[in-house]
Amino acid sequence: EAGVTQFPSHSVIEKGQTVTLRCDPISGHDNLYWYRRVMGKEIKFLLHFVKESKQDESGMPNNRFLAERTGGTYSTLKVQPAELEDSGVYFCASSQIRQGARTGELFFGEGSRLTVL
Amino acid sequence: AQSVTQLDSQVPVFEEAPVELRCNYSSSVSVYLFWYVQYPNQGLQLLLKYLSGSTLVKGINGFEAEFNKSQTSFHLRKPSVHICDTAEYFCAVRRGNAGNMLTFGGGTRLMVKP
Repeated sequence: EAGVTQFPSHSVIEKGQTVTLRCDPISGHDNLYWYRRVMGKEIKFLLHFVKESKQDESGMPNNRFLAERTGGTYSTLKVQPAELEDSGVYFCASSQIRQGARTGELFFGEGSRLTVL
Repeated sequence: AQSVTQLDSQVPVFEEAPVELRCNYSSSVSVYLFWYVQYPNQGLQLLLKYLSGSTLVKGINGFEAEFNKSQTSFHLRKPSVHICDTAEYFCAVRRGNAGNMLTFGGGTRLMVKP
């Protein structure tokens, strides 16, 4: 069974440009999460989808970040325009509705490393 | 709100030596506790979790952790490490009455030397 996949693995862009990160969750997982790790600091929650609905987006830093999950399958996270402080690793995770709620276990992708110059 | 503190950012250790990675949390409500590991060029993988019951939890690859409510700690231990244990380890908590949002510590990089 395929795990959580993220694309691209690494993106280098200039300040002011736009980048779109994609996450494909494990098939059948309704919960999808985005997390971010900036400059070796702690991994921080960005937002949570349940199917196509945003359940919690309290961690989104500002309106330059837009997350979508049309159709409740894969998700995209767009940063427009990118700033230097957006550099970091963006992790996606997924879980099933019941299993995730009971155990709290999330299945993570390898992350997308974003470098803004 | 809860927070997680991993006291050591890096832990160098020789192969076959024991290791303890420290984790302390703060929360006003009950929590579930997790350790995740990230091997080089891989995603985060669940190592072990504490939900309830026995405070000593055993995970994969010979790791174990002990939940200490009075000290609000969840330290990770292994009696004898191997080179392949070199990785970054993350402690995380989830509120017992909330959704699936995890709060992570800053991570501890374990470096096992021959």
